[in-house]
Amino acid sequence: RKEVEQDPGPFNVPEGATVAFNCTYSNSASQSFFWYRQDCRKEPKLLMSVYSSGNEDGRFTAQLNRASQYISLLIRDSKLSDSATYLCVVNSGTSGTYKYIFGTGTRLKVLA
Amino acid sequence: DADVTQTPRNRITKTGKRIMLECSQTKGHDRMYWYRQDPGLGLRLIYYSFDVKDINKGEISDGYSVSRQAQAKFSLSLESAIPNQTALYFCATSENENIQYFGAGTRLSVL
Repeated sequence: RKEVEQDPGPFNVPEGATVAFNCTYSNSASQSFFWYRQDCRKEPKLLMSVYSSGNEDGRFTAQLNRASQYISLLIRDSKLSDSATYLCVVNSGTSGTYKYIFGTGTRLKVLA
Repeated sequence: DADVTQTPRNRITKTGKRIMLECSQTKGHDRMYWYRQDPGLGLRLIYYSFDVKDINKGEISDGYSVSRQAQAKFSLSLESAIPNQTALYFCATSENENIQYFGAGTRLSVL
């Protein structure tokens, strides 16, 4: 089983739709979680961190479910410019070790 | 100017050649990383460095070596390139174990 798993998609949604992605992780000791956005052939960029209490940034909401070991990203009122691949990242490192694991990404296409 | 700069942006080379990919950063971060990205496999860590005197192997270090010349510079070398090293390579930096900042990437083709 992969340490971090995402549905590769693509998720094809019309403009204005709400779409949600999940990302599951296997290490229950994982400490921090992030969503990155990657446009085609470009570098990944941080979209948002995921806090235990959940967090919201405009149309984007991220949540963490430690009991079921997954994080989610909800995008409301989708825009054409939201089309990208969304990478889930899980930090499972402990003191002295580095373990920052990227998921393979979920591809979103927002259609006009 | 970009905070994390990778050179070259594109490179085509032949099997057996030695090549170096360079990364420099102006963010003042101690931590630097090299990743490769392949379709369907996501980002995989090659090497990382937490300071100038610290070098660590990542998930897929075989066939690669690195040099941390200064806090701001971290180079990746392919001693004898092979076709399955064809990939998109990213350098990244971070201040701590959390957010990473990536360069624009180097697209490498080994023929």
